[in-house]
Amino acid sequence: AQKITQTQPGMFVQEKEAVTLDCTYDTSDPSYGLFWYKQPSSGEMIFLIYQGSYDQQNATEGRYSLNFQKARKSANLVISASQLGDSAMYFCAMREERGGYQKVTFGTGTKLQVIP
Amino acid sequence: DSGVTQTPKHLITATGQRVTLRCSPRSGDLSVYWYQQSLDQGLQFLIQYYNGEERAKGNILERFSAQQFPDLHSELNLSSLELGDSALYFCASSYTGGIGNEQFFGPGTRLTVL
Repeated sequence: AQKITQTQPGMFVQEKEAVTLDCTYDTSDPSYGLFWYKQPSSGEMIFLIYQGSYDQQNATEGRYSLNFQKARKSANLVISASQLGDSAMYFCAMREERGGYQKVTFGTGTKLQVIP
Repeated sequence: DSGVTQTPKHLITATGQRVTLRCSPRSGDLSVYWYQQSLDQGLQFLIQYYNGEERAKGNILERFSAQQFPDLHSELNLSSLELGDSALYFCASSYTGGIGNEQFFGPGTRLTVL
C-alpha cells in the first residue's frame, strides 16, 4: 500500500480563488509528521507547512493551511487567494520515527496551474 | 536562498563511473538529508545524518554511500553508475534531526549518466 497518496496529478485554479490539494497517508505509528513542499519549475524544494500527529489544531502559514483529519488519515493543503506564482508541483510527505530511526516518504505530487 | 549549498550543480558522467556530490548545511544545522528525484521513481529519501552519525536510511542502493564530516558538511558517493541513476539529487538540512524539524533544501545536483 502507498504510504502517501496524492490522487490529483494536475489541477487548475483561477487566480484569487482557493484550492485544495489532497493527500492521504497510511501509518500505524502514533507519532509522525506531515509536510507539504512546493517545487517551482526552477527545481528548488520549498517547505510550506508542517503538521504533527499530536497537534490539536490545523497548521497555518500565511495563505497555506493544512486540513488535518486524523481519523480519515488525510492532510490536505489549502491555498487561499491563489497567485500566479503558486503554479508549481506540490508534494506531500510524511516522516515517521520508530526506535529513534526516521523514515521519510513523499507522494507523487500534484501539478497546480493558476490561471489569470 | 535556503542557505544550503550543493556542488556541483550539474554532473555528466558515463556508466560505471564514480562521482561525489557535496553538501554544506545551513549554519547551525546539525542534520543532513539526501534525496533523489527521478522521473520514474519520484522523490525518494536516501539517508539522513545527524552530527556525524547515520540517523535514518531510506531507499539507498548499496552502490551509494554517504558520510557527514566533523565540520557537518556531507558527501554522497555514487559508484558503478547506471543510466537509471540519472536524477536530481537534493541535500536538505535541519537544526536537529527531529521529526517536526523544517528541512531546508539545497538547489540540487543534476546528475546525467550517459
